[in-house]
Amino acid sequence: AQSVTQPDIHITVSEGASLELRCNYSYGATPYLFWYVQSPGQGLQLLLKYFSGDTLVQGIKGFEAEFKRSQSSFNLRKPSVHWSDAAEYFCAVNTNAGKSTFGDGTTLTVKP
Amino acid sequence: DGGITQSPKYLFRKEGQNVTLSCEQNLNHDAMYWYRQDPGQGLRLIYYSQIVNDFQKGDIAEGYSVSREKKESFPLTVTSAQKNPTAFYLCASSIQGHPDTQYFGPGTRLTVL
Repeated sequence: AQSVTQPDIHITVSEGASLELRCNYSYGATPYLFWYVQSPGQGLQLLLKYFSGDTLVQGIKGFEAEFKRSQSSFNLRKPSVHWSDAAEYFCAVNTNAGKSTFGDGTTLTVKP
Repeated sequence: DGGITQSPKYLFRKEGQNVTLSCEQNLNHDAMYWYRQDPGQGLRLIYYSQIVNDFQKGDIAEGYSVSREKKESFPLTVTSAQKNPTAFYLCASSIQGHPDTQYFGPGTRLTVL
């Protein structure tokens, strides 16, 4: 069975500082990986996805993520965080069965 | 504009009553999904449908029912058998059943009094 672990429940960074959100997955075959962002009381918005090819993927809002098969990780990064990035972030893995499994999320707080 | 709509945004019901949450999409997507989200937890899959008139149980289907009579609509009924129905419910759709980006609606917050 597939699973996703986001080790950090809550992260606080200062505005302008760099950010890395961790995601580890467990799946026997090639995973399809996603990062979504959710503002309070809203639905989820796709930031980026990895299906195959280049292991460093670029997304919206200046985010990027790197797929590392050897570490079963798909960490999300941003070089300089803006106050508007404060939200909850979810990593997800999708399989050929079409079902997505989501991590429990990481809440990002941005200090002025 | 294309997208997914969920209504209502907030819903209050008395314990023991069935309630139906609406989900409509005009993206011409084949697959639709219902998730439940509780505080501090990720999304848990309730039901999904990859084609009209067909749907499958997700991880937490007990106490819920769905129908998929039209491609654009996938209503979710929370029945009185669901022991803890108060939650935030999210509907999503995707072009194909797998693997693809899911597009989410704004959610419905259900509170059972």
